[in-house]
Amino acid sequence: DAKTTQPTSMDCAEGRAANLPCNHSTISGNEYVYWYRQIHSQGPQYIIHGLKNNETNEMASLIITEDRKSSTLILPHATLRDTAVYYCIVRVANTNAGKSTFGDGTTLTVKP
Amino acid sequence: DGGITQSPKYLFRKEGQNVTLSCEQNLNHDAMYWYRQDPGQGLRLIYYSQIVNDFQKGDIAEGYSVSREKKESFPLTVTSAQKNPTAFYLCASIRQGSNQPQHFGDGTRLSIL
Repeated sequence: DAKTTQPTSMDCAEGRAANLPCNHSTISGNEYVYWYRQIHSQGPQYIIHGLKNNETNEMASLIITEDRKSSTLILPHATLRDTAVYYCIVRVANTNAGKSTFGDGTTLTVKP
Repeated sequence: DGGITQSPKYLFRKEGQNVTLSCEQNLNHDAMYWYRQDPGQGLRLIYYSQIVNDFQKGDIAEGYSVSREKKESFPLTVTSAQKNPTAFYLCASIRQGSNQPQHFGDGTRLSIL
C-alpha cells in the first residue's frame, strides 16, 4: 500500500470549514483513499473513502485531485466535537485485504 | 448491532507475565488486525489474519503472538518477551474483496504493574 503524508497539526475555528490535506504521490490505480478519525482513547471511526471521484456523505466531503496524488478531507462546519486525530490511508480494495498501514495523522483542534 | 468487541478495556501486567487480549467480531469479516498505539503516535501493525488458521506478522510482531481458530475471534497474547508492553491496543476487521472500510474496536489499554 502507498505511503501517505499529512501535516502534524491544524487549527480551525468553530463553524468554519476544516480542510485536511493528504499527500499520496505513489498511489497506484487500484488503491482507494480512506479517511478515519480518532477521538482520544477510542478506536478510529471511518469517515469517507473514494477512488477518483469526489465523494460526499453526512460527515464530510472528499476531494481527490485529478492525478490522484493528493486529497483533501473537508468538514464543512467544524464543531468542537470534531477535535480529533484524522488519518488518511490508501489501500487496495476488491482483493485480499493485506497490510493496512496508518501513519501519525493530523491532530485537528477546533477552537471556539 | 454488529461490531467488534475488545476486552478487557483496561489490563495490568506483572513483570514476566503473559496476558491475552480478546477481540471478537460478529460482522462475518474475513480479515482481522491488531495494532499498537503509543501516546501521541499513530497505529503500528502487530499481526493480521486474512483467513482462519493463518496469520502474518506486521511491522512490530516481536514479543507478541496470535491465533485464529475461529473466524470471529483473533486473540493477542503479549508475552514476557515484550519488554515495553504499555500501550493502547486496537483490533480491526474487514471484509475481503470489498472496498469497505476497516471496523475498529474500542481498544484495550495495557499497563505494567
